[in-house]
This record gives sequence, structure tokens and C-alpha cells, in this order.
Amino acid sequence: IAGITQAPTSQILAAGRRMTLRCTQDMRHNAMYWYRQDLGLGLRLIHYSNTAGTTGKGEVPDGYSVSRANTDDFPLTLASAVPSQTSVYFCASATGTSGTDTQYFGPGTRLTVL
Amino acid sequence: GQNIDQPTEMTATEGAIVQINCTYQTSGFNGLFWYQQHAGEAPTFLSYNVLDGLEEKGRFSSFLSRSKGYSYLLLKELQMKDSASYLCASMDSNYQLIWGAGTKLIIKP
Repeated sequence: IAGITQAPTSQILAAGRRMTLRCTQDMRHNAMYWYRQDLGLGLRLIHYSNTAGTTGKGEVPDGYSVSRANTDDFPLTLASAVPSQTSVYFCASATGTSGTDTQYFGPGTRLTVL
Repeated sequence: GQNIDQPTEMTATEGAIVQINCTYQTSGFNGLFWYQQHAGEAPTFLSYNVLDGLEEKGRFSSFLSRSKGYSYLLLKELQMKDSASYLCASMDSNYQLIWGAGTKLIIKP
């Protein structure tokens, strides 16, 4: 693989269910990010990780958790999904050598919570 | 508060020039990014400005005025494939990107 992959591509989920969105990059980037994109709104940062073993909260972290056990993977978990979490979720990565590094985005996961 | 403003939608003609404006207000400033996003796809990087002035990259140019909190993306010789949303994002003092809602650009033949 090359770049960033996300899985699944799309998912319909019943409210209250647990769901993990997967994100994997093979560019050896240190920094990784999770965003959600909703119609009429800009991308909003959910969680980020500056390097393996560390994570931080973004603008809209409630209801989501992340882990960064290694450089390549950055899964996003919804512990108990709610309809307001219906969105398109993008994972992104950056080299992390500078705070102003360009972020590269995965193809996204379209999640519908009913 | 932090805010990014850009027009919701613009229409232009194939072969013409279009300027997409963006005004920003963020806690600190570490640069202004422009991304392109085709419908149903991921955003892709276009440009980064941190100093005042114009940066030219082929048919696309980006301008920044830090004193005015203003940037624009200039697209020349428009092609049908340029139909997309253009996202403006300002990097704040914590190196977090604050995103505008995007400008949907419609190109007509």
C-alpha cells in the first residue's frame, strides 16, 4: 500500500453500538489526525497524535477515543454511537518534523448512525 | 473565537480566471493552507502561505495578507476538472488547522 488507507469505506450503524474506524499509513509519518466533515461546516479535528504513544484532544473529542500503539495505525473508536455522529470521517497524517507540515488525507469513511 | 469565512459557491466559465477569497481570525497564526476536494473524495494539498505576498504554482496562485487576515486562491485557464470545493485553513498558535466550510466552484463550458 502507499499513502493512507481507511476502513471501512462506509458503514451503517445502529445507535448504541460500538464502532472502530481504522486508519493506516505507510509513509512513516509521526503525526496523525482524525477529522469529521459535515455539510456546511469545515473539517473539525476530533483527536490527534504527534508521535506514537501520545494522543491529544481536538475541537470535538466527546464520544470518541483513539490510540497510537505504533507509527502506522491510528484507530478511532465510537464507544456508543449516536445519530449526531453521522458524518464523513477523514484520517490524515504529516511528517511531524515541523508543526506546519502538510497534512495528507485518507479516502474517508462515511458513517451513518440510525 | 476562531473563524474562517469563504463564499459558499462560485460559478465560472471554462478558460476564465476565478479568485476565491478567504478571511481568517485565529488565535495566533502559523500559515494559511488551501486544499482542493472533489465530491466524494479526500482533500488534497494545493498551497501554503506564511509570508505576505503571492505564491505561484502553475495555473494556481495563492496570496496572503497577514495584516488584513486575508487570503485568496487564483485559478487561471479554468478546466472542467477544476470543478471542486476549495478549502481554506488557518493554522493557529497550537499548530492546529482551523478550516473554512469550503467554496464549491462550478465550471460551465
